[in-house]
Amino acid sequence: AQTVTQSQPEMSVQEAETVTLSCTYDTSESDYYLFWYKQPPSRQMILVIRQEAYKQQNATENRFSVNFQKAAKSFSLKISDSQLGDAAMYFCAYRPINTGTASKLTFGTGTRLQVTL
Amino acid sequence: GAVVSQHPSRVICKSGTSVKIECRSLDFQATTMFWYRQFPKKSLMLMATSNEGSKATYEQGVEKDKFLINHASLTLSTLTVTSAHPEDSSFYICSARPTLSYGYTFGSGTRLTVV
Repeated sequence: AQTVTQSQPEMSVQEAETVTLSCTYDTSESDYYLFWYKQPPSRQMILVIRQEAYKQQNATENRFSVNFQKAAKSFSLKISDSQLGDAAMYFCAYRPINTGTASKLTFGTGTRLQVTL
Repeated sequence: GAVVSQHPSRVICKSGTSVKIECRSLDFQATTMFWYRQFPKKSLMLMATSNEGSKATYEQGVEKDKFLINHASLTLSTLTVTSAHPEDSSFYICSARPTLSYGYTFGSGTRLTVV
């Protein structure tokens, strides 16, 4: 069974600084997707970034980028130029690639990010 | 982009009554929808996978008779919490994935309080 581990329950970053959130996962699959979701106080889940395991290039979305290390099964999220609006719960998630729309997301336990002035 | 609408956003009910939560895909068809439960400051726990036109698939430990799921159309899935008790109070979230999309779209969630 796939598992996703986020070892940092809470992180804090100053506004405009950079922070990295860690995520490791375990799977026997060779092809899969990895995601970072953000859940602000409104509790609406928002997709931040995704990575296809078959791509070697790390995904980037504006101030958000990932460091994907397939051999190490590591998938960290870097947030640059942190803003107050980045304060939220961040979940790392995994899903297998070849099981259609019924494939399940497996979530990590989450990291609560605080952004300070 | 793909939108999933979930209603109600908040509901308070008396112990012993039933509550229905709706999840609609507004601009895509969803043959499969997922129902999660989230406790405060915790991760999302998958409760069941809702399948259009067939029975839902429940995760281990989830009571099928308490959490009734119906997926009668390609755009609507409902979760009914039957004979609700205070321990059923929680945040419930639905999600679905459009066929050609990598990621999942989530509803805005329902906060259920049983008094």
